[in-house]
Amino acid sequence: GNSVTQMEGPVTLSEEAFLTINCTYTATGYPSLFWYVQYPGEGLQLLLKATKADDKGSNKGFEATYRKETTSFHLEKGSVQVSDSAVYFCALSSDYGQNFVFGPGTRLSVLP
Amino acid sequence: GAVVSQHPSWVICKSGTSVKIECRSLDFQATTMFWYRQFPKQSLMLMATSNEGSKATYEQGVEKDKFLINHASLTLSTLTVTSAHPEDSSFYICSALQLSTDTQYFGPGTRLTVL
Repeated sequence: GNSVTQMEGPVTLSEEAFLTINCTYTATGYPSLFWYVQYPGEGLQLLLKATKADDKGSNKGFEATYRKETTSFHLEKGSVQVSDSAVYFCALSSDYGQNFVFGPGTRLSVLP
Repeated sequence: GAVVSQHPSWVICKSGTSVKIECRSLDFQATTMFWYRQFPKQSLMLMATSNEGSKATYEQGVEKDKFLINHASLTLSTLTVTSAHPEDSSFYICSALQLSTDTQYFGPGTRLTVL
């Protein structure tokens, strides 16, 4: 079946550091890929998405590129802020938004 | 982006009582909504898929008689936890599928505490 693997956290960075959170997936066909962010005590917010190979999703300084050859969708940001502290979930959908599979989440803490 | 609301945001109830949680898609119609459960510091666990006008589809291991789901309109799905017990205490999150973008949008979650 489909699965998503994320790097284990927690990840602790200083403000303005470069961020990479690795995400790899296993799926049949051509899934859509997503990054969601969850702030403490809140639900999930869509951060970015990509629907086909080589697509780049971007939002709020975050980027991720759909790499079919490496089955990866790594999240990057050039300069993190304290306000980016949250849990980040990589997810895929193989059925037009249904059959979502979430990764375990990566907790990011950014220190001033 | 699309907005999904949940009500209440938190609820405390006594063991044996029932609790209803509402999930609404505010600016789009959703024929399909989803209910998830999240334990502390863990990922989301899909409980059921709710389809407007039909019975919900429950994931393996989820008791359909305990977690009643109703999706009576294109903008509202409800989850009722019946005869709640302390082990039902959790964070419940709903999402709504926006067909035009094939994307699930999530509500802010409801924290249920059963005493």
